Amino acid sequence: DTEVTQTPKHLVMGMTNKKSLKCEQHMGHRAMYWYKQKAKKPPELMFVYSYEKLSINESVPSRFSPECPNSSLLNLHLHALQPEDSALYLCASSHPGYEQFFGPGTRLTVL
Amino acid sequence: GENVEQHPSTLSVQEGDSAVIKCTYSDSASNYFPWYKQELGKRPQLIIDIRSNVGEKKDQRIAVTLNKTAKHFSLHITETQPEDSAVYFCAASIDTNAGKSTFGDGTTLTVKP
Repeated sequence: DTEVTQTPKHLVMGMTNKKSLKCEQHMGHRAMYWYKQKAKKPPELMFVYSYEKLSINESVPSRFSPECPNSSLLNLHLHALQPEDSALYLCASSHPGYEQFFGPGTRLTVL
Repeated sequence: GENVEQHPSTLSVQEGDSAVIKCTYSDSASNYFPWYKQELGKRPQLIIDIRSNVGEKKDQRIAVTLNKTAKHFSLHITETQPEDSAVYFCAASIDTNAGKSTFGDGTTLTVKP
């Protein structure tokens, strides 16, 4: 299996909701990433997990909470989001120091 | 931190022509430089990458060159085809463990048939 999968594909949530984004890979990659991408912009790094430990947090607001339950799974828990958080959320994985494989993304709309 | 600048922001070429996209980086410690292609509504996908111990790498119609002294690297696409139309991102990172890849702002390439 050479793909990164993400669920759901689309998510619409209110500002008081709690939801989670899920990411899975079975390539044996030990680095996993969350990115936020706005239209016509590059992916913006949010979090990096290396060997299931959070190694980089790019000063992301606490309403975004990452979790790495095991080496194949990565979650992003969302709570009390703002409309400006609407974006495409991309998960990626890699062998440390090598190319990143991106998932198809979750298109998030916050009302 | 690392800063990556990418030019041009848009590029339009005729089918069959060549396209060149250039990036500069600021951190001399960066040693891994991937290029990603993102088609509309799709995920970014690696098309070619280069490490700092190599000056040039080629894969069919795509090549990347790296000048470590000047801290710049370029993507060259020859014999462009309409399916090459996409947004291209360069990136720079330090090749140790899992680290931050800094992306350029992207180049929208349009290949006219």
